Amino acid sequence: DIVMTQGALPNPVPSGESASITCRSSKSLVYKDGKTYLNWFLQRPGQSPQLLTYWTSTRASGVSERFSGSGSGTYFTLKISRVRAEDAGVYYCQQVREYPLTFGSGTKLEIK
Amino acid sequence: EVQLVETGGGLVQPGKSLKLTCATSGFTFSNAWMHWVRQSPEKQLEWVAQIKAKSNNYATYYAESVKGRFTISRDDSKSSVYLQMNSLKEEDTAIYYCTWPGTTVDYWGQGVMVTVSS
Repeated sequence: DIVMTQGALPNPVPSGESASITCRSSKSLVYKDGKTYLNWFLQRPGQSPQLLTYWTSTRASGVSERFSGSGSGTYFTLKISRVRAEDAGVYYCQQVREYPLTFGSGTKLEIK
Repeated sequence: EVQLVETGGGLVQPGKSLKLTCATSGFTFSNAWMHWVRQSPEKQLEWVAQIKAKSNNYATYYAESVKGRFTISRDDSKSSVYLQMNSLKEEDTAIYYCTWPGTTVDYWGQGVMVTVSS
């Protein structure tokens, strides 16, 4: 199975600052079609997870431009610009390159 | 509006069975590849199973932790997907979500709690 390892954040992050979350996979997430199958989700308190980005850097419909995904191969980053109170929650990366699909353990973001 | 509503959760003893239902609306269910994902009390997300569409021969895939015990199925006439859970273990205790990864956005149900305990 592909293991997904996420980094921690130096919480709390002051409102208006930027925050970057890292995610590393134990195997390349590049598929034979050339796409890199890495998703980012945000789970706000009491809610279901919400897709933020897919194919590493494509924002899901309705997601703020303040969220940007980057990376390649086995190392990925989600950057949140000008953090706001509504960005608080737990962020998860997920690989959908191969079965079984696997998630990282989550990174908590607190806002000050 | 897309909706996914899970039902069928509850408290069950180890070794027993439970069947979850996810009723959907607002999209062309018959073409959709559907998933079940669970979240443990420790908040870890775990993908459980996927079922593809009729055009993909309803192919199914499972996490190793549930293979042989859980069965995912669907009824396109009812726009519903199911998760039959047999031989339940305490470690199956979780919130179970039904999900549909749409084209540019994904959809999740509100989740249903399953507690396995004697």
